[in-house]
Amino acid sequence: GNSVTQMEGPVTLSEEAFLTINCTYTATGYPSLFWYVQYPGEGLQLLLKATKADDKGSNKGFEATYRKETTSFHLEKGSVQVSDSAVYFCALSDQSYQKVTFGTGTKLQVIP
Amino acid sequence: DAGVIQSPRHEVTEMGQEVTLRCKPISGHNSLFWYRQTMMRGLELLIYFNNNVPIDDSGMPEDRFSAKMPNASFSTLKIQPSEPRDSAVYFCASRRGSAYEQYFGPGTRLTVT
Repeated sequence: GNSVTQMEGPVTLSEEAFLTINCTYTATGYPSLFWYVQYPGEGLQLLLKATKADDKGSNKGFEATYRKETTSFHLEKGSVQVSDSAVYFCALSDQSYQKVTFGTGTKLQVIP
Repeated sequence: DAGVIQSPRHEVTEMGQEVTLRCKPISGHNSLFWYRQTMMRGLELLIYFNNNVPIDDSGMPEDRFSAKMPNASFSTLKIQPSEPRDSAVYFCASRRGSAYEQYFGPGTRLTVT
């Protein structure tokens, strides 16, 4: 079956630091890949997505590139802010296997 | 667009009582998912529906849990009888198709004492 592996958290960074959260996946076929963000007390919301190899998703300064050769979808941001503190989930959706598979989530804490 | 609507937002009940959580998906979305989130177990998929039909309920923890989707605009998750270990945040999510993102509701925080 499908699976998503994320780096363990929590990740603590100073404001304006560079962020990378690693995500690798196993899937049959050609999945769509997603990053979701969950702020305290809220539901998950889509941060960015990519639907085919070499696509780059981007939003709010975050980026992730769909790398089929390394089965990865790492999340990056050049300069984090305190307001980026949240839990980040990597996920995939495969048309042949309709369930959405989520990673375990990575908690990010940004300190001033 | 109102987004996914869940009710109640908070529920406190005593062990042994029946609990019903409700969800209204976004209009036009054909898939609906119920998740449970706890600190210990993280985000767990309980069940999902496609075109109102349950497709996979393998995540439902036991027979005390049941879910229905009588029409495209409404779903319920019922726990009977409830137990303290059911305390969690329950999320409903919907999406337009398998290549598309899910939209999550705000969640129902359930506390069973």
